[in-house]
Amino acid sequence: GQQVMQIPQYQHVQEGEDFTTYCNSSTTLSNIQWYKQRPGGHPVFLIQLVKSGEVKKQKRLTFQFGEAKKNSSLHITATQTTDVGTYFCAGQGAQKLVFGQGTRLTINP
Amino acid sequence: NAGVTQTPKFRILKIGQSMTLQCTQDMNHNYMYWYRQDPGMGLKLIYYSVGAGITDKGEVPNGYNVSRSTTEDFPLRLELAAPSQTSVYFCASSYRDQHNEQFFGPGTRLTVL
Repeated sequence: GQQVMQIPQYQHVQEGEDFTTYCNSSTTLSNIQWYKQRPGGHPVFLIQLVKSGEVKKQKRLTFQFGEAKKNSSLHITATQTTDVGTYFCAGQGAQKLVFGQGTRLTINP
Repeated sequence: NAGVTQTPKFRILKIGQSMTLQCTQDMNHNYMYWYRQDPGMGLKLIYYSVGAGITDKGEVPNGYNVSRSTTEDFPLRLELAAPSQTSVYFCASSYRDQHNEQFFGPGTRLTVL
């Protein structure tokens, strides 16, 4: 079945450093979604990418969808303490949305 | 709008007990989902529903049952609770289908001892 792998599992950075998480699917995706979960909270939708090679920005966050629509990345520039949390990608395949394991970001102020 | 609400927030069960996790959404969404999240892990789909009266299994349905008698409500039933069902359970909904963003409830933290 469809699998979505996310790396790294954990990332610890100094405040102000950049952060990137990568998402890879075993199958071609129709779209990919990104969610953020604060510690003790619930996942909150960030963005959806649909087109091959698509790049979207939200302030310091940059999301990319690969040309083959099998991988994606989230890059945060100059992290802030408010960026702490776990970032999940979720790939939409033939039917269901499959979540990656998430990348947990911690930040040293 | 309250969005997606879940009750209870926390629950401790003994092995073999049963319970129902409640989920309600007031956004008139067709699609509803139940996920479980084990510590440090991602979200696993348990069951989902595409509308009232229609439900289908997700990735990890064993030990659970659902029903969808109304658009708003999507309860999850645990029969004969086992320690392996200790997890955080999230209910979510989306407007048309899984191509739309999912709105999550606050979760129910369940411990089975």
